[in-house]
Amino acid sequence: EVQLVESGGGLVQPGGSLRLSCAASGFTFSSYEMNWVRQAPGKGLEWVSYISSSGSTIYYADSVKGRFTISRDNAKNSLYLQMNSLRAEDTAVYYCAREVGATTAQYYFDYWGQGTLVTVSS
Amino acid sequence: DIQMTQSPSSLSASVGDRVTITCRASQSISSYLNWYQQKPGKAPKLLIYAASSLQSGVPSRFSGSGSGTDFTLTISSLQPEDFATYYCQQSYSTPSITFGQGTRLEIK
Repeated sequence: EVQLVESGGGLVQPGGSLRLSCAASGFTFSSYEMNWVRQAPGKGLEWVSYISSSGSTIYYADSVKGRFTISRDNAKNSLYLQMNSLRAEDTAVYYCAREVGATTAQYYFDYWGQGTLVTVSS
Repeated sequence: DIQMTQSPSSLSASVGDRVTITCRASQSISSYLNWYQQKPGKAPKLLIYAASSLQSGVPSRFSGSGSGTDFTLTISSLQPEDFATYYCQQSYSTPSITFGQGTRLEIK
C-alpha cells in the first residue's frame, strides 16, 4: 500500500524556518517525481515545488522561490521541504504528492499525504 | 500562468441528482486536465486524469470530458459520500501546474 506521511509542521514566527519531511512507503520512491502542494485555511490548492526522481531537476512556484528548498533522500525514501524567511501568507497545510506521467506526458498526482499544518504567526 | 476557472463555486444538490461541474482554462491545454475530490480535513483524491480517464478504484458514476479550454466533471447519480469540494488542475504547463478555485458540492 502506497503511503506518504508528512511531519515537521508547527507554529513558527515570521522570518523563521521550518523543515518538513515526507516519508514514503509501499512503492519504489526513487522512480517517482514528487511535489509539495499547500492549502491555506479555507482556501484552494497551490502547487509549491517539484523534484525529479533523481533530484537533479527542481522547480518552485514564484511565491516561494528563493525561500524554500526541496530535496529528497532516495536511500531513506524521504522528501523534504526546507522553508526559510517564513511569512504569514505561508500559513497552510502542506501536502506531499506523488506525480505520475513521465512516460505519457499526462501528469497528475495519484497519491497524497495527509498533510502537515504550518502556522506562521507572532 | 494558465488560469483555471471553475463554475459554479458552490452547488446544492440531492442524492440521486446528476451534477455537472465546469472548468475553463485561460488558454488551450489540450487534454491535460485532472479532477480531484477533497473532503473536509482530508487530502485531495484523484478522480479523473487526462480529461476523461477514470482513476482506478473510482466509481463509474464519475466521468470527465472536454479538451482545449472547456472541461466538465459529471456525477451521474449523487451518493451521500460525494458531497465534497472538487478541483480541476491543468498539467499542460507542468511542473508549474495550477488548480481551479474549487467547487463545493453541498446537500440540498
